[in-house]
Amino acid sequence: DADVTQTPRNRITKTGKRIMLECSQTKGHDRMYWYRQDPGLGLRLIYYSFDVKDINKGEISDGYSVSRQAQAKFSLSLESAIPNQTALYFCATSVIQGKSDTQYFGPGTRLTVL
Amino acid sequence: GNSVTQMEGPVTLSEEAFLTINCTYTATGYPSLFWYVQYPGEGLQLLLKATKADDKGSNKGFEATYRKETTSFHLEKGSVQVSDSAVYFCALSDRGDYKLSFGAGTTVTVRA
Repeated sequence: DADVTQTPRNRITKTGKRIMLECSQTKGHDRMYWYRQDPGLGLRLIYYSFDVKDINKGEISDGYSVSRQAQAKFSLSLESAIPNQTALYFCATSVIQGKSDTQYFGPGTRLTVL
Repeated sequence: GNSVTQMEGPVTLSEEAFLTINCTYTATGYPSLFWYVQYPGEGLQLLLKATKADDKGSNKGFEATYRKETTSFHLEKGSVQVSDSAVYFCALSDRGDYKLSFGAGTTVTVRA
């Protein structure tokens, strides 16, 4: 079974709808992240959480919110979806090992907002 | 702030050719450096990493050396295969809060 899972894998929705993307992990990591990927822009950080009681905005948090329901679960919500939120969304987890923090990514959710 | 600049693609190669993808970085501190690979339809996978100057990361025939003097972490493979076709991302992790900053990605296509 995959260590980091994301649901749904694909979603098509309409402008103005509320959408929730879910991420679950079995790696036991404290740190979790949400990114979006757009062609030519790489991955950009939306929100991150270093433990259950810690939530932090990334570089592009406007229009998004998150919930860390448990150590293993981190959900991303779009309260009112708009077309420029069409992208590939990735969840990741990490744990500090020595002097580095390696992130492990889920398979991604492809979201299309019409 | 931190940033990563990598070679623009797409890159198209024949099987057994030599691959180099350039990556340079700007960082306020002393970062760790990574290469991630994204195969078609999949998420990102860690390919290799280096945590200090002159370290060489290697995996699956790929290598990259952390060059502090040139702020670079170029990815190389001596003989590519069709299965190496993917998007490659260079990234750095700030040791202060360990957040990752990614380059834009380089699409590599290897033809038989």
